[in-house]
Amino acid sequence: GDSVTQMEGPVTLSEEAFLTINCTYTATGYPSLFWYVQYPGEGLQLLLKATKADDKGSNKGFEATYRKETTSFHLEKGSVQVSDSAVYFCALMYEGAQKLVFGQGTRLTINP
Amino acid sequence: KAGVTQTPRYLIKTRGQQVTLSCSPISGHRSVSWYQQTPGQGLQFLFEYFSETQRNKGNFPGRFSGRQFSNSRSEMNVSTLELGDSALYLCASSFGQSSYEQYFGPGTRLTVT
Repeated sequence: GDSVTQMEGPVTLSEEAFLTINCTYTATGYPSLFWYVQYPGEGLQLLLKATKADDKGSNKGFEATYRKETTSFHLEKGSVQVSDSAVYFCALMYEGAQKLVFGQGTRLTINP
Repeated sequence: KAGVTQTPRYLIKTRGQQVTLSCSPISGHRSVSWYQQTPGQGLQFLFEYFSETQRNKGNFPGRFSGRQFSNSRSEMNVSTLELGDSALYLCASSFGQSSYEQYFGPGTRLTVT
């Protein structure tokens, strides 16, 4: 079946550091890929998405590129802030099926 | 525009009881999906409703059920609660059948004792 694997957390960085959170997927078809973020005590917020190979999703300084050849969708940010501390989830979904398949989540802590 | 609302936010139940959780989607959204979040299993899909019809169902026992009303509001029910049902239950809504963006509510934290 389809699955998503994220790098193990937690990840701790200093403010202004470069961030990479790895995400790889296994899929039988060609899904859309997403990154969601969950702040403490809240639900999930869509951070960015890419719907086909080589698409780049971007939002709030975060970027991720849909790489079909490596089945990856790594999240990057050039300079993190304390306010980026949260849990990040990589996910996939097929068009027409409102069913997200999530990775296990990566907890990110940014220290000032 | 108001976001997805879920009630109640917190719930404590005893093993063997049943519980009903409610979700009101964003106005105009017709698809509602439910997910269970636990530390051990992560985020898992429960089911999805569109126009009062269940279109997708995850791998959960029959104790987990749901429904959607004509105004798109949805409820999920868990009968004969078990300790392992303790989780954060998240509801998400989206506009149509093929919409990619799901908007999540804050969740209902269910504790089974």
